[in-house]
Amino acid sequence: DTGVSQDPRHKITKRGQNVTFRCDPISEHNRLYWYRQTLGQGPEFLTYFQNEAQLEKSRLLSDRFSAERPKGSFSTLEIQRTEQGDSAMYLCASSSGDSPLHFGNGTRLTVT
Amino acid sequence: GENVEQHPSTLSVQEGDSAVIKCTYSDSASNYFPWYKQELGKRPQLIIDIRSNVGEKKDQRIAVTLNKTAKHFSLHITETQPEDSAVYFCAASNERGGYQKVTFGTGTKLQVIP
Repeated sequence: DTGVSQDPRHKITKRGQNVTFRCDPISEHNRLYWYRQTLGQGPEFLTYFQNEAQLEKSRLLSDRFSAERPKGSFSTLEIQRTEQGDSAMYLCASSSGDSPLHFGNGTRLTVT
Repeated sequence: GENVEQHPSTLSVQEGDSAVIKCTYSDSASNYFPWYKQELGKRPQLIIDIRSNVGEKKDQRIAVTLNKTAKHFSLHITETQPEDSAVYFCAASNERGGYQKVTFGTGTKLQVIP
């Protein structure tokens, strides 16, 4: 296992378009997290899954954002009607037991 | 919710000197404190972590100290090397049943001057 993988690495989209990102966690990890990181800031928590259940969502996650983890394995994060303020790095992380968070390389979103 | 403050935002040291980064947290229920290193364009990677039942932890040139009473924890890097140059994030979490809602500080950009 090579770790958490995210796809795509970069996404450029026009304002108003919808985008979807994918995260494949470490295979034995049952917990999956999405974070958002803007330039010069630390990662900000967006949402958390335990297996397929979405157990917590941040207030940062507006109605335009939706995340799924249908089979408790990979997860998708969709942003509808993108805005320039959505431009950021979207990081996925996974964990299991008392292991620390393992992050992916992220998807950098640029909304023009 | 938890709030983590981190200082300084930038730090320049000569190679071989020590570097210290300080953080404070607000939630007295937080019991897990990881530190992540993020190189430009790369993922955050865990370098050391400490739980609240321990006051200090060391791993080679890196050490972390925790003062629960003051809600303060620090990262110490000794004998710094150019490859230590990166952004370092402190974080705090209340582990409940293994769930880690980790709150990060704003980061410290460390530059080690050869």
